[in-house]
Amino acid sequence: NAGVTQTPKFRVLKTGQSMTLLCAQDMNHEYMYWYRQDPGMGLRLIHYSVGEGTTAKGEVPDGYNVSRLKKQNFLLGLESAAPSQTSVYFCASSLGLTGIRETQYFGPGTRLLVL
Amino acid sequence: AQSVTQLGSHVSVSEGALVLLRCNYSSSVPPYLFWYVQYPNQGLQLLLKYTSAATLVKGINGFEAEFKKSETSFHLTKPSAHMSDAAEYFCAVTFESSASKIIFGSGTRLSIRP
Repeated sequence: NAGVTQTPKFRVLKTGQSMTLLCAQDMNHEYMYWYRQDPGMGLRLIHYSVGEGTTAKGEVPDGYNVSRLKKQNFLLGLESAAPSQTSVYFCASSLGLTGIRETQYFGPGTRLLVL
Repeated sequence: AQSVTQLGSHVSVSEGALVLLRCNYSSSVPPYLFWYVQYPNQGLQLLLKYTSAATLVKGINGFEAEFKKSETSFHLTKPSAHMSDAAEYFCAVTFESSASKIIFGSGTRLSIRP
């Protein structure tokens, strides 16, 4: 099993450009999450999905959109990138609801630099 | 408000010394607590988790943590540090009522001196 994979590993964007980050998991997990990690701030939840075709907002959703067309994939989109979105983005998945003690499995991360 | 605080953004210990990473939480409802480790250029891996069973939780790589409700703490310890323990460690908390939301601490970078 590859677990959770993320594409690309690194990307540089100019302000106003758009891009999509892809997350894939092969563990048949129902729940998937997108986080951003910034220095001194831990991880913050952007959006999450509790199943195919569903998405929900997390703590910092502004400027991002997501889609879960297939159970194994969770896409994070930036329609018009801003320098404030420079960060490391992590995808995670879990079998069940995290609030009920489920472990989240994380991908290796995508480093995004917006100039 | 529910929150988690990690004391010390950077901790340095000698190889073979005790490792103690501090985590305190704030909550009015019973928490579920986690410690994750992040090695350089990798994602987070679960070290251990507290789910209201035993208060002393043993995890991977010789780490353990003790849930102390009276102190609202969940400190991470390891009796003898190894060079391979150098990484960033995150304490996290979630609640039954919060469904998918985990609150992460800001992280503590652990350095090991030879």
